[in-house]
Amino acid sequence: GNSVTQMEGPVTLSEEAFLTINCTYTATGYPSLFWYVQYPGEGLQLLLKATKADDKGSNKGFEATYRKETTSFHLEKGSVQVSDSAVYFCALKEKAGGTSYGKLTFGQGTILTVHP
Amino acid sequence: DTGVSQNPRHKITKRGQNVTFRCDPISEHNRLYWYRQTLGQGPEFLTYFQNEAQLEKSRLLSDRFSAERPKGSFSTLEIQRTEQGDSAMYLCASSLGEGVSQTQYFGPGTRLLVL
Repeated sequence: GNSVTQMEGPVTLSEEAFLTINCTYTATGYPSLFWYVQYPGEGLQLLLKATKADDKGSNKGFEATYRKETTSFHLEKGSVQVSDSAVYFCALKEKAGGTSYGKLTFGQGTILTVHP
Repeated sequence: DTGVSQNPRHKITKRGQNVTFRCDPISEHNRLYWYRQTLGQGPEFLTYFQNEAQLEKSRLLSDRFSAERPKGSFSTLEIQRTEQGDSAMYLCASSLGEGVSQTQYFGPGTRLLVL
């Protein structure tokens, strides 16, 4: 079955530090890949996505590149802010026509805390 | 902004009681998903509707769980004879149309505590 593995957390950084959160996946086909973010007290929000190999998703200074050869979709940001403190989830979705009917498979989440 | 809404936001119940949660998706979205999230874990898929048809159920969804979407709009998730292991955040998401790139928009969730 499909699975997503994220780096162990929590991650604690100082403001303006470089961020990497690793994500690797296992899938039977060629899924789409997503990063969702959950701010304290709020629901899951889509941060970025990539639908095919070598695509780069980007939003709010965050980037992730779909690497088929390493089955990875690592999240990066060059300079984090205190407001980036949240839980980040990597997820995949199989392409239409598979047996999953579009369900998302999530990693366990990585807690990011950014200090001033 | 009419996003996905869920009610109630919090529910405390005693073991053995029945509970029902409601999800109102974004109005034009034909797909609706239920997920469960336990502390420190990512959401896990429970079930999915396209319009009023329930097309897939996870093996996590025991026979104590039932979900409906009677008119293809809002959905309800009922848990009968609740157990302490049912304590979790129940998330609803909706999306428009088919396609692997379609974004699922999530509601704020209903947090269930079974005593």
